[in-house]
Amino acid sequence: AQSVTQLGSHVSVSEGALVLLRCNYSSSVPPYLFWYVQYPNQGLQLLLKYTSAATLVKGINGFEAEFKKSETSFHLTKPSAHMSDAAEYFCAVSSGGGADGLTFGKGTHLIIQP
Amino acid sequence: SQTIHQWPATLVQPVGSPLSLECTVEGTSNPNLYWYRQAAGRGLQLLFYSVGIGQISSEVPQNLSASRPQDRQFILSSKKLLLSDSGFYLCAWSDGLAGINEQFFGPGTRLTVL
Repeated sequence: AQSVTQLGSHVSVSEGALVLLRCNYSSSVPPYLFWYVQYPNQGLQLLLKYTSAATLVKGINGFEAEFKKSETSFHLTKPSAHMSDAAEYFCAVSSGGGADGLTFGKGTHLIIQP
Repeated sequence: SQTIHQWPATLVQPVGSPLSLECTVEGTSNPNLYWYRQAAGRGLQLLFYSVGIGQISSEVPQNLSASRPQDRQFILSSKKLLLSDSGFYLCAWSDGLAGINEQFFGPGTRLTVL
């Protein structure tokens, strides 16, 4: 079985400040990990993914995430927040086998203060 | 390139009425297809997935059903809607041969049951 925990249902940062969204996973096999972003009333858009290549993964919109096996973590960061980053962010894990898809965290709502 | 469509974009239905939401994918063959529901302020709940025509797996017993009459068409239905069926419905596809379950999402359907 696999699971994802996102710490903090809401995170608020000032514009220009560091963004850090936390994600911890559990998986019985080496995982594939994903971060998705969802803007209001839209579908989910892939930000970045870890597929067992480089542990530091760079994504779109200046986001990156680091896979740390010892900590079972895949935290999402961005050096400088923009107002346009305000959205819901979902971390997801896949064991790769089977078609039943991804296991999602409950999401973190990112609020950007001007 | 691949695209995924959902319609309608929004829907308001009375309790007890039927439902049909449609999802189609273009630019790929034999995708895995998924239906998710996102209730207000909550995460994503996987409802159904399909690995081929006529093959449907249900993740959560409920008032809904799914069908896949064609390779790239996925339909979510209900005979009688409940208030609790309100939510944001997302369709997604993945490449079953890729093995990592990276999913690509449609724009969603906002369903309000009154």
